[in-house]
Amino acid sequence: DQQVKQNSPSLSVQEGRISILNCDYTNSMFDYFLWYKKYPAEGPTFLISISSIKDKNEDGRFTVFLNKSAKHLSLHIVPSQPGDSAVYFCAASVSSGTYKYIFGTGTRLKVLA
Amino acid sequence: KAGVTQTPRYLIKTRGQQVTLSCSPISGHRSVSWYQQTPGQGLQFLFEYFSETQRNKGNFPGRFSGRQFSNSRSEMNVSTLELGDSALYLCASSRQLPGTANEKLFFGSGTQLSVL
Repeated sequence: DQQVKQNSPSLSVQEGRISILNCDYTNSMFDYFLWYKKYPAEGPTFLISISSIKDKNEDGRFTVFLNKSAKHLSLHIVPSQPGDSAVYFCAASVSSGTYKYIFGTGTRLKVLA
Repeated sequence: KAGVTQTPRYLIKTRGQQVTLSCSPISGHRSVSWYQQTPGQGLQFLFEYFSETQRNKGNFPGRFSGRQFSNSRSEMNVSTLELGDSALYLCASSRQLPGTANEKLFFGSGTQLSVL
């Protein structure tokens, strides 16, 4: 049972435009969410996180939106740059003590110059 | 500060063999988590160790095991390898218990295991 889903395996965006990556979850107990970026032959690197007490968190070009009622979060990248081309994973956890993150299957973003 | 170090980077084994993968966390990090990445499956949680104790385990067969040493370094072992075990195995460390608010994982580059 995939509790965290990224239904778009890939996404192509023109440089300078907005990239929107989506993530859905089924477990209503999840209350902490993260986004990671992964380049080939490297481990995932942390991008941005959000707690369920918020519905938005920004860090530079990256903004994460959380819609708890829809069990949906999204990552916006504005403006998109060719260096953003990577696989993006969302992850979720129950912060009260399961000691693990559940990751989605990833979305491959390609930013076209 | 050195990052998470995983050795070896690449490994080729045959069915039925066993393998041991090693992970050195960031200095000062007490938790080590292991994930398996396969195409189309994302990162699947294997297990997590904190202060030498396994705190959580994923839905993998008993052939997959791990341990953590007093210096926080960790090893995972896979016995009786199957073709389906071919994957990228990622180790991640965190300062405190992962999954809690404001905590995050720092990943190594992984060990690519191929089972022939």
